[in-house]
Amino acid sequence: GAVVSQHPSWVICKSGTSVKIECRSLDFQATTMFWYRQFPKQSLMLMATSNEGSKATYEQGVEKDKFLINHASLTLSTLTVTSAHPEDSSFYICSAEGFNEQFFGPGTRLTVL
Amino acid sequence: EDKVVQSPLSLVVHEGDTVTLNCSYEVTNFRSLLWYKQEKKAPTFLFMLTSSGIEKKSGRLSSILDKKELFSILNITATQTGDSAIYLCAVEMDSNYQLIWGAGTKLIIKP
Repeated sequence: GAVVSQHPSWVICKSGTSVKIECRSLDFQATTMFWYRQFPKQSLMLMATSNEGSKATYEQGVEKDKFLINHASLTLSTLTVTSAHPEDSSFYICSAEGFNEQFFGPGTRLTVL
Repeated sequence: EDKVVQSPLSLVVHEGDTVTLNCSYEVTNFRSLLWYKQEKKAPTFLFMLTSSGIEKKSGRLSSILDKKELFSILNITATQTGDSAIYLCAVEMDSNYQLIWGAGTKLIIKP
């Protein structure tokens, strides 16, 4: 089946630093990728929809200057959390669309100290 | 290799029927098993299961985990057309909290 990977799996950083999370579709091309944020025992919150070669579409309430999304190729989308603060600590999940289905990545845990 | 397998892949039933969705797993460091309902782009959290044999219930939905046989079932009774969705199962790893996702079961409820 189609596989989506995320890197890193867990990152711990100091407040004020920027963190980049990668999302890759390993064996298929994904024109559309999605980024979510998840809190424990809660639904995934859609942050933005990323289309290859164009600007991401952000959901209401998500700061686009804070969460920079780049979808430079059909197999890679990146989420950069700029000037991270402790309230940005969360589990970030990406998904990629392929074969008319959506495939989810394993997630990246971000801890901001 | 860690994996989560859901069955069936797709299911079509009539309103009022009861359905059982299956999720089996093989993971090296099990922490919990999660069920989600996806109607649009963002999966909605349903249940988190950590202990074997304890049924979790929410209205017409219920779920149980068997850690010996390594599977979970999601039951929906008296189905309604609004239950039509893709139901996703994911296992949370104990080592790094990452999720291993099943492929999902597409459930269609016909009126």
